[in-house]
Amino acid sequence: QIQLVESGGGVVQPGRSLRLSCVASGFTFTRDAVHWVRQAPGKGLEWVAVMSPDGGIKIYADSVKGRFTISRDNSKNMQFLEMNSLRDDDTAVYYCARDPITGPPDYFDYWGQGTLVTVSS
Amino acid sequence: EIVLTQSPGTLSLSPGERATLSCRASQSISSTYLAWYQQKPGQAPRLLIYGASSRPTGIPDRFSGSGSGTDFTLTISRLEPEDFAVYYCQQYGGSPLITFGQGTRLEIK
Repeated sequence: QIQLVESGGGVVQPGRSLRLSCVASGFTFTRDAVHWVRQAPGKGLEWVAVMSPDGGIKIYADSVKGRFTISRDNSKNMQFLEMNSLRDDDTAVYYCARDPITGPPDYFDYWGQGTLVTVSS
Repeated sequence: EIVLTQSPGTLSLSPGERATLSCRASQSISSTYLAWYQQKPGQAPRLLIYGASSRPTGIPDRFSGSGSGTDFTLTISRLEPEDFAVYYCQQYGGSPLITFGQGTRLEIK
């Protein structure tokens, strides 16, 4: 059974940092990319970042480029999102989601339950 | 930059009726690269359609997708009570890499 479980969310002050984790199970983590997608309260979905399974390619949305860093530990089936210089508009539920197709980014067939990040003074 | 515009913003229908949701792209995209999701309150999105018209295993056949170029449609042939939710389209492979539409809320009339 494929599962993705996020953790690490919480309340943080503007300008501070937070690190999110996503633990994957039930599929070959070293083959499939896992993306981060976020959703501000009451708003739509926004794609955030992806990293290739081998770690060689990292792509970010313009809204987070230079502030967020994606990484993964294939030995632990885990992916991370290091978020620095957080702003009020980073407040959102952050989901990790699996891309089942090898190669360029595609659709997402499995999603975690999400972790809420609230940026507030 | 590819922008996806969904219409209507809100659709009010009754169980048993047919729902037609639209997703229009600001520039032509390959039909291979269009997906639809359903999201209920407090839940993660659920994949309904990929490649514009393919259904993953377990998705009821009352859900169907169609379209090409800039105009795509999600059709729910006969609404069940559990179908009332928010629906998003997504394009992948364009620029920016991945974008979502703003969503259509399907509510009970």
